[in-house]
Amino acid sequence: DVKVTQSSRYLVKRTGEKVFLECVQDMDHENMFWYRQDPGLGLRLIYFSYDVKMKEKGDIPEGYSVSREKKERFSLILESASTNQTSMYLCASSLGVGLATDTQYFGPGTRLTVL
Amino acid sequence: GDSVVQTEGQVLPSEGDSLIVNCSYETTQYPSLFWYVQYPGEGPQLHLKAMKANDKGRNKGFEAMYRKETTSFHLEKDSVQESDSAVYFCAPDNDMRFGAGTRLTVKP
Repeated sequence: DVKVTQSSRYLVKRTGEKVFLECVQDMDHENMFWYRQDPGLGLRLIYFSYDVKMKEKGDIPEGYSVSREKKERFSLILESASTNQTSMYLCASSLGVGLATDTQYFGPGTRLTVL
Repeated sequence: GDSVVQTEGQVLPSEGDSLIVNCSYETTQYPSLFWYVQYPGEGPQLHLKAMKANDKGRNKGFEAMYRKETTSFHLEKDSVQESDSAVYFCAPDNDMRFGAGTRLTVKP
């Protein structure tokens, strides 16, 4: 079974702090994704990566950056956390060879609260 | 890019009721279609999928027919169970855009 793990289930940070959210997948998937989930808004794509050191902006990249130094690991960085970044963050991976038709496998999520 | 619209908010059937959760999408091509399900405290997981027009995805008594002519992929079940309570997301072919989610709460 594919396993996607996220470094924390719950995280509380203060405004202005730099925040790192880590995601690791164990199935040699090419593609990795970061979403945020907010009530009434569903899942919104922040960034995705289709290869090591490659990244593409999603629909809401402002205030975020990402890093993919190794194939299995995809990090989301909040350079200076703000209260409007309080949300559930979900990481996902998929097999690759093009993004089409691939099932995404999600981690359990990190609920981030910014005070 | 493509967009997807699904039944908004919450659906509150009683156990044994039939269910339809609507999903319609706009696209310039004809993608594979997915329904994901998210149980409390977990990330979303694939529920069912259909790869091309007229295919039907099936899982745990749920079905969804890929209807190209109406660009729809409605999720249906004849008789819902309390254990079906979850949030359901419709998603076309990994355009990486999901519907807003429909919360299904089945009353005992």
